[in-house]
Formats: sequence, C-alpha cells, structure tokens
Amino acid sequence: DSGVTQTPKHLITATGQRVTLRCSPRSGDLSVYWYQQSLDQGLQFLIQYYNGEERAKGNILERFSAQQFPDLHSELNLSSLELGDSALYFCASSLFVSGSKETQYFGPGTRLLVL
Amino acid sequence: AQSVSQHNHHVILSEAASLELGCNYSYGGTVNLFWYVQYPGQHLQLLLKYFSGDPLVKGIKGFEAEFIKSKFSFNLRKPSVQWSDTAEYFCAVNAGPYSGAGSYQLTFGKGTKLSVIP
Repeated sequence: DSGVTQTPKHLITATGQRVTLRCSPRSGDLSVYWYQQSLDQGLQFLIQYYNGEERAKGNILERFSAQQFPDLHSELNLSSLELGDSALYFCASSLFVSGSKETQYFGPGTRLLVL
Repeated sequence: AQSVSQHNHHVILSEAASLELGCNYSYGGTVNLFWYVQYPGQHLQLLLKYFSGDPLVKGIKGFEAEFIKSKFSFNLRKPSVQWSDTAEYFCAVNAGPYSGAGSYQLTFGKGTKLSVIP
C-alpha cells in the first residue's frame, strides 16, 4: 500500500458523459501527478499540481481538467467522453521539494470504461 | 523531450533463470531513473531508483539495476526469477531542470511483460 488512494476503482459510463476521478495523496506530499495508461499509448503524464497550483501539463486533452484542493486532494474531470478515453487513470504523489531527488508513489488507479 | 525505450515487449522465463530487461533513455543531461513493477490487476510499485552515486543500485525483491551513462542505459537484473515475479515492468525517467519552476513528471517506457513458468 503506497498511501495514495483513488476513488472510484471502476467507472463505467457512456459516450458524451462527464466523470470525476478523485485522488488523495500520501500524508505530507504536496504534489499530485495524473497519468493515463492505455493499451496503445502506454503510460502518459497528463498534469501535475503542487500545493494547489498547476505545475506542468503533459498530453492532456482540452476536454480534461484537474484541480487540487486546500486539503491537497485532487480531482481529474473528464468530459464529453469518447470510447478512446477508456483507460486506467493513475494518480501519484510526491513531496516535491525543489532541487531534491523525489520519488513518486502511485495509487491503485481508476479503471474507466466508456461504452 | 526525453524518451524511454524498453527493448523487449514480452519475456518468458522458467523459474530460477536469470533476468535482464533493457532500458535506454534519450536525454543528454542529468536524469533520475526508476523501475516500477505492475503485478496483474495492481498499481505501480517502485522497485528501485537511481539518483546519483554508485551506478549499481539494489531494490526490493532481489532486483538490481545498473546505470551506464555512456550507453544511456539502466538495465534491470535479477539472478534467479520466481513465479511471483510475473508482472509488467516499466522503466521511467525524469529529467531536469531541477528548479523551483521545473516539474518532475515521469516519462515511461512501453513496459516489458515478464511471464515466469513454474
């Protein structure tokens, strides 16, 4: 158990719908990363938040957005869902101290199936 | 942008065989290197990491990896695999700049599936 929690574990929805995935980082970690794992693209970085602020963006679609709340949990919002959005979405957290050698710890993931 | 290549898509070994999984990255500057393992139906778990110092790093469950800077490689090894090592293995890198404005996002390889036959 990494200490990172994600809910829900599984999500089945229809095309065009909107879903919200939730992540709670390890105690004391300030940074949250979101990754998407799909069969064709592999593991890809989506977005990072640090202490409530967006820090970096990767291959995140405009239909997707995220935020990090004052209690440091983060939510990833996926809207206008398409079949191709079906994937495993991981959250990772780290302490993120500037200049340090940080390690990311991953949550169990949310498996999204869009029908 | 950095990239990571894992040479083998699927490796099949018998128990007690030795394992070496290849990983090459493309980035000329300072890098941090990681190996993660994903057991069937589970999340990514950190096996080992390299930041600096001794290029031979030891991780959990008897795994080790060697960083060879001249070859841009970080290969994972285990002298004797067990059936319980059946999983998918991911090599990952994060690269600088390591500053307050930087980000530490990981770039992953495509993964290598390891199947160990009892």
